Amino acid sequence: LAKTTQPISMDSYEGQEVNITCSHNNIATNDYITWYQQFPSQGPRFIIQGYKTKVTNEVASLFIPADRKSSTLSLPRVSLSDTAVYYCLVGDGKGDSNYQLIWGAGTKLIIKP
Amino acid sequence: DSGVTQTPKHLITATGQRVTLRCSPRSGDLSVYWYQQSLDQGLQFLIQYYNGEERAKGNILERFSAQQFPDLHSELNLSSLELGDSALYFCASSVRHGRVETQYFGPGTRLLVL
Repeated sequence: LAKTTQPISMDSYEGQEVNITCSHNNIATNDYITWYQQFPSQGPRFIIQGYKTKVTNEVASLFIPADRKSSTLSLPRVSLSDTAVYYCLVGDGKGDSNYQLIWGAGTKLIIKP
Repeated sequence: DSGVTQTPKHLITATGQRVTLRCSPRSGDLSVYWYQQSLDQGLQFLIQYYNGEERAKGNILERFSAQQFPDLHSELNLSSLELGDSALYFCASSVRHGRVETQYFGPGTRLLVL
């Protein structure tokens, strides 16, 4: 199973761009990278998913270098409501690399006014 | 709103008791996952069902069991409850985008064992 390593916590300020990097040195060829956001006492919410290069949606961007051994979630112009825990997962959701069954501690992001 | 529903929202019970948590997946989703999250901890995978059949098992205690019914809703049964079972229990259903599954989580059931 691919393992991920993320910072335990990060602080930033409203209006700033926040980048959270996840290391996944053992990522397999078929593995995708998925990020979830979790607010206190709520279930995680899917943010973004990608395989290589850059993916962008209405809330975030995901940058994946050519070797795919890391990925960076980028949140543009954060607000206080972006304070949450962010989880990075790798895998294809099936078979031996069913990553969605192994959740790390995530990165606790605190946004200050 | 993810489209996944869980009942009850809160549950308070005593040690030694048995409870049942219920989950209704999003319309069309065949897969249901159950997770336990203790205070300030990460998610611990318990069990997954796909179209009524058990598909994967995590660190689920023998005191816990689950099933998925023909209408695809799922129930998690927790018996001989201990203080340490107090936690948030989430269920998620999944959809496949190409080769990858994405999970959609319910609001959770907060269980307090006294």
